[in-house]
This record gives sequence, C-alpha cells and structure tokens, in this order.
Amino acid sequence: DAGITQSPRHKVTETGTPVTLRCHQTENHRYMYWYRQDPGHGLRLIHYSYGVKDTDKGEVSDGYSVSRSKTEDFLLTLESATSSQTSVYFCAISQWMRGAYEQYFGPGTRLTVT
Amino acid sequence: ELKVEQNPLFLSMQEGKNYTIYCNYSTTSDRLYWYRQDPGKSLESLFVLLSNGAVKQEGRLMASLDTKARLSTLHITAAVHDLSATYFCAVDKGNYGGATNKLIFGTGTLLAVQP
Repeated sequence: DAGITQSPRHKVTETGTPVTLRCHQTENHRYMYWYRQDPGHGLRLIHYSYGVKDTDKGEVSDGYSVSRSKTEDFLLTLESATSSQTSVYFCAISQWMRGAYEQYFGPGTRLTVT
Repeated sequence: ELKVEQNPLFLSMQEGKNYTIYCNYSTTSDRLYWYRQDPGKSLESLFVLLSNGAVKQEGRLMASLDTKARLSTLHITAAVHDLSATYFCAVDKGNYGGATNKLIFGTGTLLAVQP
C-alpha cells in the first residue's frame, strides 16, 4: 500500500464549512497527488506536489487549496464546501517501479456535503 | 488537451469467455497505465506500458500499447468471477521522455463476470 494513509475516511459536512483532508505517507516520496472520483468521470487530478512547499494545480483545482509543509503530509482544503464537492478523494504517491514512475493510491476519503 | 476514452463502459461476460477493453487517447504520450478498482476500494496498479508495441501479461490479463494509433487494449482470457471490477486506463500528460507524472484517467470499464 506504499505506506499511505488518509484521514478522515468518511466525513459529512454542511455547505459553507471548511474541510481539510489529510494524506500521510511514511516512505519519503517526493511526488504526491490529490484526485477526486465521481461516477462517469474516472479520477481527476485536483492538485499535486513535487516537494515540500512545491505544489501546482491539476485539472479541477477551483475551490480547493493544498499545503505541504513536510514531506510526509499533503493536506487538501475545501475553503467553503459545496454540494458539488461531494466525492471520493484519493491521495497518491509516485514511486519508481518496474522501470517507470507509478502512482499508488491511498484508501480514499468519502466526503458528503449536505 | 489530452483526452482518454475507454470502451465499453460496462461489460457483462460469462466465465470462460474472452474480451477486450479499449483505451484511446488524443495526444502523444510516453506512458500508459492500467488500474483495477474493486467496489468501495482503492486503485491497484496492474500494468505500465512504456513504448510502442509493449505487451505485458499477468494471469488472465494482457495489456498492449500502440502509440501510433494512440490505443491500448486490455485483453481478458477465459474470464473468471474474481476479475469482476472496474478497470481504468490512465495516460501521462508528458511526451517524448518528458513524463510529468500527471495522469489523465479514462472513465473506467465496469466488468461483471457472470458464473
């Protein structure tokens, strides 16, 4: 499982409240990613990080911010949650395996915004 | 803009039969990945395909890549119930050796193998 944990695993929150999801890894990987998964869309990249304090936007970054103050933690924040952000959120790391970088995914966080 | 399309989106097949899932992508890329996802679970990496003509096999699954046609296939041989899952292909946004590690995913193929 590449040593990735996500917390919380499930969360229900109200529209307009801030929410922070945490991704923690124990193997000192440089690259980390946040995706959301919705029916009919596969996985879509929200933000990614290529090192401490180095982050960039993905395909669907509006309404989300991230921070990475130490290698092991990558935080995803919804500043003011909306119902359209109800989704399953996956964190991933990138690791050199089988002759290429491969992404390995955490267990996911199911977020419901009511 | 890179787009990745899979078909079919849903596949119901009988045990023992063969079938193929297709993954088309719209711009040049160096790397293509296949993942499996069981219901309510995370994604599991199956294959990495790095060059034109690459073929990888694991058990009843075989993946191939044709970079000129921008097409990858995942072939299932003599399906068994345990293969029931959703399969995703994903393409790296980089090309010509400049891999970005940023992936664009297809929408997935839900495979249901009936006993």
